[in-house]
Amino acid sequence: KQEVTQIPAALSVPEGENLVLNCSFTDSAIYNLQWFRQDPGKGLTSLLLIQSSQREQTSGRLNASLDKSSGRSTLYIAASQPGDSATYLCAGKYSGGGADGLTFGKGTHLIIQP
Amino acid sequence: SAVISQKPSRDICQRGTSLTIQCQVDSQVTMMFWYRQQPGQSLTLIATANQGSEATYESGFVIDKFPISRPNLTFSTLTVSNMSPEDSSIYLCSVESSGGDEAFFGQGTRLTVV
Repeated sequence: KQEVTQIPAALSVPEGENLVLNCSFTDSAIYNLQWFRQDPGKGLTSLLLIQSSQREQTSGRLNASLDKSSGRSTLYIAASQPGDSATYLCAGKYSGGGADGLTFGKGTHLIIQP
Repeated sequence: SAVISQKPSRDICQRGTSLTIQCQVDSQVTMMFWYRQQPGQSLTLIATANQGSEATYESGFVIDKFPISRPNLTFSTLTVSNMSPEDSSIYLCSVESSGGDEAFFGQGTRLTVV
């Protein structure tokens, strides 16, 4: 059974700091890994998608890495802002072709202090 | 990207009743996915809905409790039947990009059963 784990469960940092969120997965046969943001009571917003053949993806202040051999992914947020406060979820997809859904971690609840 | 509209956005229902959640996508998609997010938990896949065939349910979820319709390539419904307070959750609809890679989510339906 595939499992996705996220550490830490919660994180509070002052505005302006750089931070790293961690995600680990048990099955190295991962097809892709996706990072999402969820605001309270809302749906999910896709942040970055990393294919199994890629090492990292960048979008603005966000950078996500993928290391299949160690079963780890990180989301790096540069120069954090209060608007970054949200729950960040990582999710693994284990087959292509759209037949399977995603396996999610429990998320990291991030608070950026003004 | 895909734009997904879910209705209703929230509802409070009496135990023993049923609620049907609608999911509309702005483009044709092969697969639609339904997830549940229980309070304080991450997302769990309920079922995968393919147009023209029976939905495929994950372990722990059954058709009698969560019947799904998929009448065309842009629309699906999930019914939560004979509800109990344990069904109080956020229910989310998801689709994948045309390449079958990136996942997109609706804003979710927050269900409270009293």
